[in-house]
Amino acid sequence: DQQVKQNSPSLSVQEGRISILNCDYTNSMFDYFLWYKKYPAEGPTFLISISSIKDKNEDGRFTVFLNKSAKHLSLHIVPSQPGDSAVYFCAATRYGNKLVFGAGTILRVKS
Amino acid sequence: DGGITQSPKYLFRKEGQNVTLSCEQNLNHDAMYWYRQDPGQGLRLIYYSQIVNDFQKGDIAEGYSVSREKKESFPLTVTSAQKNPTAFYLCASRALAIGDRDTQYFGPGTRLTVL
Repeated sequence: DQQVKQNSPSLSVQEGRISILNCDYTNSMFDYFLWYKKYPAEGPTFLISISSIKDKNEDGRFTVFLNKSAKHLSLHIVPSQPGDSAVYFCAATRYGNKLVFGAGTILRVKS
Repeated sequence: DGGITQSPKYLFRKEGQNVTLSCEQNLNHDAMYWYRQDPGQGLRLIYYSQIVNDFQKGDIAEGYSVSREKKESFPLTVTSAQKNPTAFYLCASRALAIGDRDTQYFGPGTRLTVL
């Protein structure tokens, strides 16, 4: 049972434009959500997170939006840069419990 | 420099052999985790530990074993009972203090290949 889904296996975006990565979840008990970025043969790097009491969190070029009623979150990267090309994982948890990861979305930023 | 180290980076094993992957952290984190990543899949939890001398099975613990004798170390043994051990293994840790929610920080990973 996939509780966290990233339905787009890949996304291609032109440098300077906006990248939007999507994530859906099924467990309404999740109250904290995270995005990780991963390069090949390296460990994931934490990017940004959001608590369920918020609907938006911003950190530089990265913004995460949470729509609790739709059980949907998205990561916006503006402007996209070639160095952003990586696999992006969405993860969700309920306080004190395990992280549940999506399958990842490969982002390619073309220069 | 605080962080999580995993060794070795690449590991080759013959079928039927046990192998131990190392994970060390100097972040003073209480909790540690082991995941495996397979192509096209997300990270799947193998084992985790929230305190020294205690650990719990994750979603895919069969064929694996762990120990947590020290706070900074959480080695993972891939036994010969693991049917499909070739994968990328990731170790992570997390502080349990209030104010640092559920963010896990990852090591660089070990690529295990069974020949």
